[in-house]
Amino acid sequence: DADVTQTPRNRITKTGKRIMLECSQTKGHDRMYWYRQDPGLGLRLIYYSFDVKDINKGEISDGYSVSRQAQAKFSLSLESAIPNQTALYFCATSVRDEQFFGPGTRLTVL
Amino acid sequence: AQSVTQPDIHITVSEGASLELRCNYSYGATPYLFWYVQSPGQGLQLLLKYFSGDTLVQGIKGFEAEFKRSQSSFNLRKPSVHWSDAAEYFCAVGAGGSARQLTFGSGTQLTVLP
Repeated sequence: DADVTQTPRNRITKTGKRIMLECSQTKGHDRMYWYRQDPGLGLRLIYYSFDVKDINKGEISDGYSVSRQAQAKFSLSLESAIPNQTALYFCATSVRDEQFFGPGTRLTVL
Repeated sequence: AQSVTQPDIHITVSEGASLELRCNYSYGATPYLFWYVQSPGQGLQLLLKYFSGDTLVQGIKGFEAEFKRSQSSFNLRKPSVHWSDAAEYFCAVGAGGSARQLTFGSGTQLTVLP
């Protein structure tokens, strides 16, 4: 089984809808991250959490919120989706020397 | 704040040819540097990392990278490319002497011709 899993893997939604992307990990890491990837822009950090009670905004947090339900679970929500949030979203965990990535969720907002 | 520049958006090489992907970073202290590879439909996989010590770092899949402080560069190389190396490659720099907060470059897409 994969160490970092993301659900759903693909999602198509409409403008204004609320969407939740979920991430689970079995690596036992305290640190978790949400990134979005856009062509030509690389990965940009949305939110990160260094433990269950520690949530921090990243570079592009506007329009997003997160919830750290447990050490193993970190969810990303789009309260009211808009088309420019169409992107590939990655969850990651880390230890001091490396980050480990999930397979990604491709989100399309129509 | 740290930053990473990958000057080449897209590189095409023939199978068996050598490869060099460029990465330049900006960071005030000694950087933690990483190369990740993203195959189509996959997440990112770590190829190699540099923290300190020997400036030539060996990674998986036959890749290596050389840290050059004077040039603020961390270029990725492979002597002989295989068709399976076709992917997108990302360079990243870690702040605070760790991988806790990574800043990624915009990526280089590698195409391998038969």
